[in-house]
Amino acid sequence: SQQGEEDPQALSIQEGENATMNCSYKTSINNLQWYRQNSGRGLVHLILIRSNEREKHSGRLRVTLDTSKKSSSLLITASRAADTASYFCATDPGGSYIPTFGRGTSLIVHP
Amino acid sequence: DTAVSQTPKYLVTQMGNDKSIKCEQNLGHDTMYWYKQDSKKFLKIMFSYNNKELIINETVPNRFSPKSPDKAHLNLHINSLELGDSAVYFCASSRITYEQYFGPGTRLTVT
Repeated sequence: SQQGEEDPQALSIQEGENATMNCSYKTSINNLQWYRQNSGRGLVHLILIRSNEREKHSGRLRVTLDTSKKSSSLLITASRAADTASYFCATDPGGSYIPTFGRGTSLIVHP
Repeated sequence: DTAVSQTPKYLVTQMGNDKSIKCEQNLGHDTMYWYKQDSKKFLKIMFSYNNKELIINETVPNRFSPKSPDKAHLNLHINSLELGDSAVYFCASSRITYEQYFGPGTRLTVT
């Protein structure tokens, strides 16, 4: 299986609600990144968190990293219909500089 | 002023043909990548070039070959196309270990 795996695979919420998605990985990392992919488009970088950081914010996004549990979460607060997309986490297992992506969480935000 | 561009956007071809996908980045990045995204959205890295040298070569068939004429370009050549090669191919670039910038993707359909 992949280094990074997102959970849930799919998430459907109403506008205004918060969306939380998780990423688990297997080996040690230097950093973990989250990306968004809108339908039919390339991935867009959202946020990078380093292994010595525990939490990071960017606008309505909050990312946490728990290296003891080898997991990360992405929280989108006050979601909007425009947040509808797939969200991927990417890690560099063992600091190898080989970016490894999970299968993504498909988020649908209903207006 | 597109950061990472790919051509063509769509490519429909028959089994056995040879085709190329071009990628260019104007960000001055030193590393470029090729990814394959299958119908289940699994994003798999295929190749990475750093300063014109291959630093990653995943277990992809040798029918696939990356060609980098200079630091701003990384083209993907595919020989003897097979049905299973149908997917969306993404080019990306980065300064190594930092966030990646993705192109819009090339949807390849092999009939």
